[in-house]
Amino acid sequence: QSALTQPASVSGSPGQSITISCTGTSSDVGRYNYVSWYQQHPGKAPKLIIYAVNNRPSGVSNRFSASKSGNTASLTISGLQTEDEADYYCSSYTSSTTQVFGGGTKLTVL
Amino acid sequence: EVHLVESGGGLVQPGGSLRLSCAASGFIFSSYAFNWVRLVPGKGLEWISHIDDVNNIYYADAMKGRFTISRDNAKNSLYLQMNSLRDEDTAMYYCVRDLPGAGWYFDNWGQGTLVTVSS
Repeated sequence: QSALTQPASVSGSPGQSITISCTGTSSDVGRYNYVSWYQQHPGKAPKLIIYAVNNRPSGVSNRFSASKSGNTASLTISGLQTEDEADYYCSSYTSSTTQVFGGGTKLTVL
Repeated sequence: EVHLVESGGGLVQPGGSLRLSCAASGFIFSSYAFNWVRLVPGKGLEWISHIDDVNNIYYADAMKGRFTISRDNAKNSLYLQMNSLRDEDTAMYYCVRDLPGAGWYFDNWGQGTLVTVSS
């Protein structure tokens, strides 16, 4: 199972919006609405921020939103804040009854 | 409050074995599915294995035959037996609880236990 494809890095200024893409295949992202996104700060455990394509767990800011089209999912963070600087990973269930992550995207808030 | 506490990591030589444990508290352990996920330095997150509440088990292809996931509901504990360890298994290993419902969503994570494979 190959990892999903994410950009290695993105950057933005406080207050701006950024979008992180996550490209899979017709066996994972394109087949199921079981896409999730995780935020990980250095030295901390990952945190679930989006599940089932575009749902936020309780307590997650509504500045985080997500969508999916075909084999590509996207995470948008609006009104960037310095605390958003972190690594972001997408993940999807697959037709092989496994789970696959993207390679991760490092977000820098300039 | 949900607590997941991993233990059992450490330094091991290539070809060696380790057994990771995860002690859970704050919820009804037997009702949930769990996973092991690792953070590989320079590579990112990698899913290892999933066990559901009725002991259906799934593995990533790279771990099949070397890693074994198990659970003990009486002890509120999850385990990962790792054999034939390789340098590339060096990582932080996380015990992760699933969000109930369809799909595998990792809503609670332990703090991780570090495994270093080196001679």
